[in-house]
Amino acid sequence: GAVVSQHPSWVICKSGTSVKIECRSLDFQATTMFWYRQFPKQSLMLMATSNEGSKATYEQGVEKDKFLINHASLTLSTLTVTSAHPEDSSFYICSATYGAVNTEAFFGQGTRLTVV
Amino acid sequence: QKEVEQDPGPLSVPEGAIVSLNCTYSNSAFQYFMWYRQYSRKGPELLMYTYSSGNKEDGRFTAQVDKSSKYISLFIRDSQPSDSATYLCAMKGNTPLVFGKGTRLSVIA
Repeated sequence: GAVVSQHPSWVICKSGTSVKIECRSLDFQATTMFWYRQFPKQSLMLMATSNEGSKATYEQGVEKDKFLINHASLTLSTLTVTSAHPEDSSFYICSATYGAVNTEAFFGQGTRLTVV
Repeated sequence: QKEVEQDPGPLSVPEGAIVSLNCTYSNSAFQYFMWYRQYSRKGPELLMYTYSSGNKEDGRFTAQVDKSSKYISLFIRDSQPSDSATYLCAMKGNTPLVFGKGTRLSVIA
């Protein structure tokens, strides 16, 4: 299957700082990338959908000014958690799809964010 | 009613057992069905992808879709300790994937 690389795999930051998470599709062009958040023992909650070259579409309840998403190329999307607070601590996962709506999604390894 | 329902478990079985994991859904617009395996602190890994009703087999894994009942299943034959993980069903129509809560499976040697 296609490979999606997410970096970093874990990060600890101080409250009030910003953290950037990268998601790269290594062997395919990702027309659409998705960002999820997952709390312990919970399912993946979609935060936003981003298409290359256009603004991300955020799910209801997700603050777009807090979770900045950039999808500048067909192989790279970034999620920046701005002014992070302890309640932002979570597991963040990206996924990418290519082409038509019926193609499967491939996931990155996830990033565990801890805000202290 | 949630769009996708999945029993979170945990489910514990002895090595070699046949495992049955299930999801139900309410949105008849869902056309594409997937099963993902997620190990602790890792991203989900795609196991099976199906479109039509019926069975699809891949090694020890069989995915089954019954669109009339809005019910999907994943069967694991000859389960191994390495199968211990959380299994998430996911489905979509012309929308982003909707995930089940995931079922935690433990295969005991």
